[in-house]
Amino acid sequence: DAGVIQSPRHEVTEMGQEVTLRCKPISGHNSLFWYRQTMMRGLELLIYFNNNVPIDDSGMPEDRFSAKMPNASFSTLKIQPSEPRDSAVYFCASSSDRSFWPQHFGDGTRLSIL
Amino acid sequence: AQSVTQLGSHVSVSEGALVLLRCNYSSSVPPYLFWYVQYPNQGLQLLLKYTSAATLVKGINGFEAEFKKSETSFHLTKPSAHMSDAAEYFCAVSDRGGDSWGKLQFGAGTQVVVTP
Repeated sequence: DAGVIQSPRHEVTEMGQEVTLRCKPISGHNSLFWYRQTMMRGLELLIYFNNNVPIDDSGMPEDRFSAKMPNASFSTLKIQPSEPRDSAVYFCASSSDRSFWPQHFGDGTRLSIL
Repeated sequence: AQSVTQLGSHVSVSEGALVLLRCNYSSSVPPYLFWYVQYPNQGLQLLLKYTSAATLVKGINGFEAEFKKSETSFHLTKPSAHMSDAAEYFCAVSDRGGDSWGKLQFGAGTQVVVTP
């Protein structure tokens, strides 16, 4: 079975540019989570969806960050405009609604904002 | 809200020696507890989870963890370290109910180095 698929794996862009990260959850999973990992702050939950509906976005750092889940097989995390402090590894995870855990993680997108 | 503390950001063990990684949680109500492993340039992979059954939980790759309510702990062990165990390990907790239900709170992680 395919796992959680994230794209791109690496992104390098200049400050001020729009960045879009993409995630395809495991088929049949209906909970999706976006995390950010940095050395300073560790793993932080940014937002999560259940049945395509955002449940908790309290971890989204600023209005520059937005996330959507237009259908059960796709989600995006967008940063506009990007800043150097947004540099991090961004992970997407999904889980089955029948057992809310465990969460299955993608391999992440390593984002560098110059 | 739950919090989780992992003692020791780095642990060095000899190949064949016991691996012991410590995790303590904050709540008086036992949460759901998890251990994840992260290899370089990869996402997190679930090692094991405690939800409410046996207090000794066996996971993948020979790891196990014991839930001790009196100590609010969920330490991870492996009797004999292998070189392939070198990775970062994260303890995580989730409330059984309330507004934060379903949200994982991760510890800061413990980097394990295995020496020959």
